[in-house]
Amino acid sequence: ETGVTQSPTHLIKTRGQQVTLRCSSQSGHNTVSWYQQALGQGPQFIFQYYREEENGRGNFPPRFSGLQFPNYSSELNVNALELDDSALYLCASSQTASEAFFGQGTRLTVV
Amino acid sequence: DQQVKQNSPSLSVQEGRISILNCDYTNSMFDYFLWYKKYPAEGPTFLISISSIKDKNEDGRFTVFLNKSAKHLSLHIVPSQPGDSAVYFCAARPSTSGTYKYIFGTGTRLKVLA
Repeated sequence: ETGVTQSPTHLIKTRGQQVTLRCSSQSGHNTVSWYQQALGQGPQFIFQYYREEENGRGNFPPRFSGLQFPNYSSELNVNALELDDSALYLCASSQTASEAFFGQGTRLTVV
Repeated sequence: DQQVKQNSPSLSVQEGRISILNCDYTNSMFDYFLWYKKYPAEGPTFLISISSIKDKNEDGRFTVFLNKSAKHLSLHIVPSQPGDSAVYFCAARPSTSGTYKYIFGTGTRLKVLA
Protein backbone atom coordinates (compact mmCIF):
# COMPACT_ATOMS: atom_id res chain seq x y z
CA GLU A 1 0.00 0.00 0.00
CA THR A 2 1.92 3.01 -1.28
CA GLY A 3 -0.32 6.00 -0.75
CA VAL A 4 1.44 7.82 -3.60
CA THR A 5 -0.98 9.20 -6.17
CA GLN A 6 -0.23 10.74 -9.54
CA SER A 7 -2.33 12.68 -12.00
CA PRO A 8 -3.23 12.50 -14.76
CA THR A 9 -2.86 8.80 -15.62
CA HIS A 10 -2.57 9.42 -19.34
CA LEU A 11 -1.71 12.48 -21.40
CA ILE A 12 -1.17 13.24 -25.07
CA LYS A 13 0.78 16.35 -26.02
CA THR A 14 2.16 17.84 -29.21
CA ARG A 15 5.88 18.33 -29.77
CA GLY A 16 6.98 21.74 -28.49
CA GLN A 17 4.24 22.01 -25.87
CA GLN A 18 4.69 22.10 -22.12
CA VAL A 19 3.29 19.61 -19.60
CA THR A 20 2.80 19.49 -15.83
CA LEU A 21 2.49 16.22 -13.95
CA ARG A 22 1.41 16.01 -10.31
CA CYS A 23 2.20 13.77 -7.38
CA SER A 24 0.96 13.45 -3.83
CA SER A 25 3.48 11.72 -1.61
CA GLN A 26 2.77 9.12 1.02
CA SER A 27 1.72 10.62 4.34
CA GLY A 28 4.74 11.73 6.37
CA HIS A 29 7.23 11.35 3.54
CA ASN A 30 9.14 14.59 2.95
CA THR A 31 11.22 13.42 -0.01
CA VAL A 32 9.82 13.05 -3.50
CA SER A 33 11.71 11.77 -6.53
CA TRP A 34 10.72 11.67 -10.17
CA TYR A 35 11.69 8.97 -12.65
CA GLN A 36 11.23 8.44 -16.38
CA GLN A 37 10.66 4.92 -17.64
CA ALA A 38 10.99 4.34 -21.35
CA LEU A 39 9.58 1.19 -22.92
CA GLY A 40 11.63 -1.89 -22.08
CA GLN A 41 13.89 0.00 -19.68
CA GLY A 42 14.12 0.49 -15.95
CA PRO A 43 13.13 3.80 -14.39
CA GLN A 44 15.72 6.58 -14.69
CA PHE A 45 16.16 9.18 -11.97
CA ILE A 46 15.22 12.72 -13.02
CA PHE A 47 15.51 14.64 -9.75
CA GLN A 48 14.59 14.69 -6.09
CA TYR A 49 12.92 17.27 -3.86
CA TYR A 50 13.40 17.55 -0.13
CA ARG A 51 11.68 20.23 1.91
CA GLU A 52 10.72 22.17 -1.22
CA GLU A 53 14.22 22.26 -2.70
CA GLU A 54 15.81 20.22 -5.47
CA ASN A 55 18.68 18.31 -3.87
CA GLY A 56 19.71 15.83 -6.53
CA ARG A 57 19.44 15.58 -10.30
CA GLY A 58 20.02 12.91 -12.90
CA ASN A 59 21.17 13.31 -16.47
CA PHE A 60 18.20 15.31 -17.72
CA PRO A 61 18.24 18.74 -19.40
CA PRO A 62 17.01 21.92 -17.67
CA ARG A 63 13.71 21.84 -19.54
CA PHE A 64 12.79 19.20 -16.94
CA SER A 65 11.98 21.14 -13.77
CA GLY A 66 9.94 20.63 -10.67
CA LEU A 67 8.41 21.98 -7.54
CA GLN A 68 7.61 20.68 -4.10
CA PHE A 69 4.94 22.26 -1.94
CA PRO A 70 4.74 22.63 1.87
CA ASN A 71 2.47 19.57 2.04
CA TYR A 72 5.26 17.61 0.23
CA SER A 73 3.24 17.16 -2.95
CA SER A 74 5.21 17.78 -6.12
CA GLU A 75 5.01 18.75 -9.77
CA LEU A 76 7.17 17.78 -12.73
CA ASN A 77 7.23 20.27 -15.58
CA VAL A 78 8.63 19.53 -19.00
CA ASN A 79 9.03 22.35 -21.53
CA ALA A 80 9.53 22.15 -25.28
CA LEU A 81 8.38 18.53 -25.45
CA GLU A 82 10.23 16.20 -27.78
CA LEU A 83 9.06 12.88 -29.22
CA ASP A 84 11.63 11.06 -27.05
CA ASP A 85 9.94 12.43 -23.94
CA SER A 86 7.17 9.87 -24.50
CA ALA A 87 7.45 7.59 -21.48
CA LEU A 88 5.93 6.56 -18.17
CA TYR A 89 6.70 9.19 -15.52
CA LEU A 90 6.87 7.88 -12.00
CA CYS A 91 6.86 9.67 -8.69
CA ALA A 92 8.33 8.04 -5.59
CA SER A 93 8.22 9.10 -1.98
CA SER A 94 10.71 8.06 0.65
CA GLN A 95 11.47 8.51 4.29
CA THR A 96 14.53 6.28 4.48
CA ALA A 97 17.07 4.96 1.98
CA SER A 98 15.86 1.39 2.42
CA GLU A 99 12.52 1.90 0.71
CA ALA A 100 10.81 4.09 -1.86
CA PHE A 101 7.14 3.87 -2.79
CA PHE A 102 5.96 4.63 -6.29
CA GLY A 103 2.73 5.97 -7.66
CA GLN A 104 0.92 4.38 -10.58
CA GLY A 105 2.61 6.71 -13.05
CA THR A 106 1.56 9.08 -15.81
CA ARG A 107 1.82 7.80 -19.37
CA LEU A 108 2.90 10.73 -21.55
CA THR A 109 2.68 10.46 -25.31
CA VAL A 110 4.21 13.21 -27.44
CA VAL A 111 3.02 13.36 -31.04
CA ASP B 1 27.29 2.39 -18.80
CA GLN B 2 24.79 0.11 -17.08
CA GLN B 3 25.80 -0.06 -13.42
CA VAL B 4 22.95 -2.42 -12.49
CA LYS B 5 22.32 -5.35 -14.79
CA GLN B 6 19.62 -7.95 -15.00
CA ASN B 7 20.94 -10.29 -17.63
CA SER B 8 17.90 -12.54 -17.87
CA PRO B 9 15.06 -10.79 -19.70
CA SER B 10 12.61 -13.54 -18.78
CA LEU B 11 12.09 -16.53 -16.53
CA SER B 12 9.38 -19.20 -16.37
CA VAL B 13 8.72 -21.22 -13.21
CA GLN B 14 6.12 -23.77 -12.20
CA GLU B 15 3.66 -22.79 -9.48
CA GLY B 16 4.90 -23.87 -6.05
CA ARG B 17 8.56 -23.96 -7.09
CA ILE B 18 11.27 -21.43 -6.29
CA SER B 19 11.82 -18.37 -8.49
CA ILE B 20 15.33 -16.93 -8.46
CA LEU B 21 15.85 -13.50 -9.99
CA ASN B 22 19.38 -12.24 -10.39
CA CYS B 23 21.03 -8.86 -10.50
CA ASP B 24 24.67 -7.82 -10.96
CA TYR B 25 26.22 -4.47 -10.25
CA THR B 26 29.51 -2.78 -10.99
CA ASN B 27 29.73 -0.01 -8.39
CA SER B 28 31.08 -0.93 -4.95
CA MET B 29 29.65 2.28 -3.53
CA PHE B 30 26.02 1.15 -3.45
CA ASP B 31 24.68 1.02 0.09
CA TYR B 32 21.08 -0.16 -0.39
CA PHE B 33 19.55 -2.59 -2.85
CA LEU B 34 15.82 -2.76 -3.49
CA TRP B 35 13.54 -5.11 -5.41
CA TYR B 36 10.31 -4.14 -7.10
CA LYS B 37 7.66 -5.92 -9.08
CA LYS B 38 5.65 -4.21 -11.77
CA TYR B 39 2.39 -5.16 -13.40
CA PRO B 40 1.42 -3.60 -16.74
CA ALA B 41 -0.11 -0.11 -16.44
CA GLU B 42 0.88 0.13 -12.76
CA GLY B 43 3.77 1.70 -10.91
CA PRO B 44 6.50 -0.47 -9.36
CA THR B 45 5.56 -2.12 -6.06
CA PHE B 46 8.26 -2.24 -3.40
CA LEU B 47 9.01 -5.81 -2.26
CA ILE B 48 12.09 -5.96 -0.11
CA SER B 49 15.45 -4.28 0.40
CA ILE B 50 18.84 -5.07 1.83
CA SER B 51 21.60 -2.93 3.25
CA SER B 52 25.14 -3.47 1.99
CA ILE B 53 26.20 -4.43 5.51
CA LYS B 54 23.98 -7.53 5.42
CA ASP B 55 24.03 -10.62 3.25
CA LYS B 56 20.44 -11.76 3.66
CA ASN B 57 17.04 -10.30 4.33
CA GLU B 58 13.76 -12.16 4.48
CA ASP B 59 10.13 -11.10 4.36
CA GLY B 60 7.53 -13.80 4.03
CA ARG B 61 7.96 -15.59 0.70
CA PHE B 62 10.69 -13.17 -0.42
CA THR B 63 14.36 -13.45 0.46
CA VAL B 64 17.14 -11.31 -0.92
CA PHE B 65 20.76 -12.47 -0.86
CA LEU B 66 23.71 -10.13 -1.33
CA ASN B 67 27.17 -11.34 -2.35
CA LYS B 68 29.37 -8.26 -2.17
CA SER B 69 32.55 -9.97 -3.35
CA ALA B 70 30.76 -11.08 -6.52
CA LYS B 71 28.74 -7.84 -6.77
CA HIS B 72 25.64 -9.96 -7.12
CA LEU B 73 22.24 -10.07 -5.52
CA SER B 74 19.32 -12.38 -5.96
CA LEU B 75 15.66 -12.46 -5.03
CA HIS B 76 14.15 -15.80 -4.09
CA ILE B 77 10.40 -16.29 -4.13
CA VAL B 78 9.18 -19.44 -2.41
CA PRO B 79 6.66 -20.81 -3.20
CA SER B 80 5.94 -19.08 -6.49
CA GLN B 81 2.33 -18.22 -7.22
CA PRO B 82 0.61 -17.25 -10.49
CA GLY B 83 0.02 -13.76 -9.06
CA ASP B 84 3.78 -13.30 -8.90
CA SER B 85 3.86 -13.08 -12.70
CA ALA B 86 5.20 -9.60 -13.35
CA VAL B 87 8.37 -7.73 -14.31
CA TYR B 88 10.89 -7.56 -11.47
CA PHE B 89 13.41 -4.74 -11.13
CA CYS B 90 16.42 -4.51 -8.89
CA ALA B 91 17.63 -1.05 -7.89
CA ALA B 92 20.69 0.25 -6.06
CA ARG B 93 21.45 3.48 -4.25
CA PRO B 94 24.88 5.12 -4.60
CA SER B 95 26.05 5.89 -1.06
CA THR B 96 27.68 9.09 -2.28
CA SER B 97 24.51 10.49 -3.81
CA GLY B 98 23.15 12.05 -0.64
CA THR B 99 19.72 11.44 -2.09
CA TYR B 100 17.19 8.66 -2.50
CA LYS B 101 18.32 8.24 -6.10
CA TYR B 102 18.16 4.62 -7.23
CA ILE B 103 19.72 3.09 -10.31
CA PHE B 104 17.51 0.43 -11.83
CA GLY B 105 18.20 -2.63 -13.92
CA THR B 106 16.22 -3.31 -17.08
CA GLY B 107 13.97 -5.88 -15.46
CA THR B 108 13.24 -9.61 -15.65
CA ARG B 109 9.81 -10.83 -16.69
CA LEU B 110 8.70 -13.69 -14.44
CA LYS B 111 5.97 -16.02 -15.57
CA VAL B 112 4.62 -18.48 -13.01
CA LEU B 113 2.86 -21.37 -14.71
CA ALA B 114 -0.16 -22.92 -13.02
